[in-house]
Amino acid sequence: QKEVEQDPGPLSVPEGAIVSLNCTYSNSAFQYFMWYRQYSRKGPELLMYTYSSGNKEDGRFTAQVDKSSKYISLFIRDSQPSDSATYLCAMSFHVNTPLVFGKGTRLSVIA
Amino acid sequence: GAGVSQSPSNKVTEKGKDVELRCDPISGHTALYWYRQSLGQGLEFLIYFQGNSAPDKSGLPSDRFSAERTGGSVSTLTIQRTQQEDSAVYLCASSLARGSGGRASTDTQYFGPGTRLTVL
Repeated sequence: QKEVEQDPGPLSVPEGAIVSLNCTYSNSAFQYFMWYRQYSRKGPELLMYTYSSGNKEDGRFTAQVDKSSKYISLFIRDSQPSDSATYLCAMSFHVNTPLVFGKGTRLSVIA
Repeated sequence: GAGVSQSPSNKVTEKGKDVELRCDPISGHTALYWYRQSLGQGLEFLIYFQGNSAPDKSGLPSDRFSAERTGGSVSTLTIQRTQQEDSAVYLCASSLARGSGGRASTDTQYFGPGTRLTVL
């Protein structure tokens, strides 16, 4: 079993839909949780950064971490065609240490 | 300001040849990471440099892979005797990595655009 599991999709939704992306993980020692967005032929860019359990909101994006269930989620409200990309969850044990990534979910938002 | 840059953007080589991939981190960033992104495998950690400390090489897949970071800035990833399974996108990231941590402002890893390596 991989340390971080993420459904690769692809996921296709109409413009304006609410998108739910999630990852599960097996190691309870992970403390820092991130979501990256990666456009085709580009490097990943950070969307959300969360320490430990809880919710964090930034504009149309909400990140949730449930450490008891080893489950993290990213919600995108009012999805736009420009949100079409691959979304990668990532986590680490300590600050400033290598990240462990999920395989990424490919999202298409159709106008 | 300038982000992380990598060169070349694409590299095609023949099996058995050596290749060098370059990463220029964001100025002032003390931490530098190399990752590999291959189809079906996702992003995998290779090696990590933090300041003047010995690098964390725990992710390197074989002794054909090595990396160095000169003067705490530019890094070069070298793959010797390339194999077809080395074909992937090689990504470099850097972070400020200062202070007590636990904040996106200091911990965020900023990625370069990657080098797409194809081994024929």
